[in-house]
Amino acid sequence: AQSVTQPDIHITVSEGASLELRCNYSYGATPYLFWYVQSPGQGLQLLLKYFSGDTLVQGIKGFEAEFKRSQSSFNLRKPSVHWSDAAEYFCAVGLNSGGYQKVTFGTGTKLQVIP
Amino acid sequence: EAGVTQFPSHSVIEKGQTVTLRCDPISGHDNLYWYRRVMGKEIKFLLHFVKESKQDESGMPNNRFLAERTGGTYSTLKVQPAELEDSGVYFCASSQERGHYGYTFGSGTRLTVV
Repeated sequence: AQSVTQPDIHITVSEGASLELRCNYSYGATPYLFWYVQSPGQGLQLLLKYFSGDTLVQGIKGFEAEFKRSQSSFNLRKPSVHWSDAAEYFCAVGLNSGGYQKVTFGTGTKLQVIP
Repeated sequence: EAGVTQFPSHSVIEKGQTVTLRCDPISGHDNLYWYRRVMGKEIKFLLHFVKESKQDESGMPNNRFLAERTGGTYSTLKVQPAELEDSGVYFCASSQERGHYGYTFGSGTRLTVV
């Protein structure tokens, strides 16, 4: 069965520093890959997604992610973190199930931003 | 367009009581999904509606959970009777069509069973 691993439960970075959140997936083929963010009191918001093509994907809020097939990874990056980026981030894998999409999430990484 | 709306945002009930969660998807979205996050764990799939039909309910934990989507619009998820392990955040999501990947999620209902 497919699985998603986010090895970092909690990460703290200084405002203005760069950020990389790790995500590894387990699946035989290339799945659809997503990053979602949940800010306090908010729902899950889609940051970016990868289906095929260019392995470097640009998303909203200045985030990007790179798909590396050889490492089964889809890490999320941001060059300069803002205090408003403090949130929980979820990597997810989407697979075709009966012609529809079924999404499996990782356990999430909580990001704390310090001044 | 209005987003996915969930009611209530929080619910605290006693063990053995019944709770009904509601989700209003984006208008015109045939696909409606329920997910749940138990504290500290991953967000897990519960079930998927296409219009009013259950396409996949493989994630429903047991028969204390009943989901409906009458008329293919809003959906309800009833837990009866609630147990302590049902506590968590219940998310609803919708998407427009079969091939549309990437859901729009609601803000969730935080359920606490005491």
